[in-house]
Amino acid sequence: QQQVKQSPQSLIVQKGGISIINCAYENTAFDYFPWYQQFPGKGPALLIAIRPDVSEKKEGRFTISFNKSAKQFSLHIMDSQPGDSATYFCAASYNQGGKLIFGQGTELSVKP
Amino acid sequence: DSGVTQTPKHLITATGQRVTLRCSPRSGDLSVYWYQQSLDQGLQFLIQYYNGEERAKGNILERFSAQQFPDLHSELNLSSLELGDSALYFCASTVGGSNYGYTFGSGTRLTVV
Repeated sequence: QQQVKQSPQSLIVQKGGISIINCAYENTAFDYFPWYQQFPGKGPALLIAIRPDVSEKKEGRFTISFNKSAKQFSLHIMDSQPGDSATYFCAASYNQGGKLIFGQGTELSVKP
Repeated sequence: DSGVTQTPKHLITATGQRVTLRCSPRSGDLSVYWYQQSLDQGLQFLIQYYNGEERAKGNILERFSAQQFPDLHSELNLSSLELGDSALYFCASTVGGSNYGYTFGSGTRLTVV
């Protein structure tokens, strides 16, 4: 119930391509779904987040798509660049829970 | 620089020892969260403090403890260390008691030999 399942574990995309990472959850009490980006030797950094009352949110080249009925959400990175190569984590939480539950992470490599 | 400061950056210690990891939250943030990141377990929530009080507890071992001081910095104490405790330990902070908009520090890499 508390898990967030993320796929794929690793992803290789050509420069200019679209990177897609998927997450699924079970707990319908979750009300906040952020994505974090982590570079080697650094802490995770908030990339973009969505609440379940909207189906899509776009910030620059990054888009979250949210499907409440399927309990799934995904991150799309348009026009992927080598500088996007990092590990991406989806997460979920409910406000009163006081914690973020993270997916296992996706290691993205964008080839020039 | 995220504004969340963690020290030390690296720590190598022997099994059975005790270490203290320190976290200074962003200015104005009242909540501190501790996470453990290992290759096989991902990012696991350990514990949360809000304005000096323990707010939530996760998968934190009894050998581990934490506290948040009046100046809002927090310390994570790990004792009777085992090889399996080797991991990256992150703290994150937020303004209020909710978990929206975490800011993570750069972590402490603990190696137990």
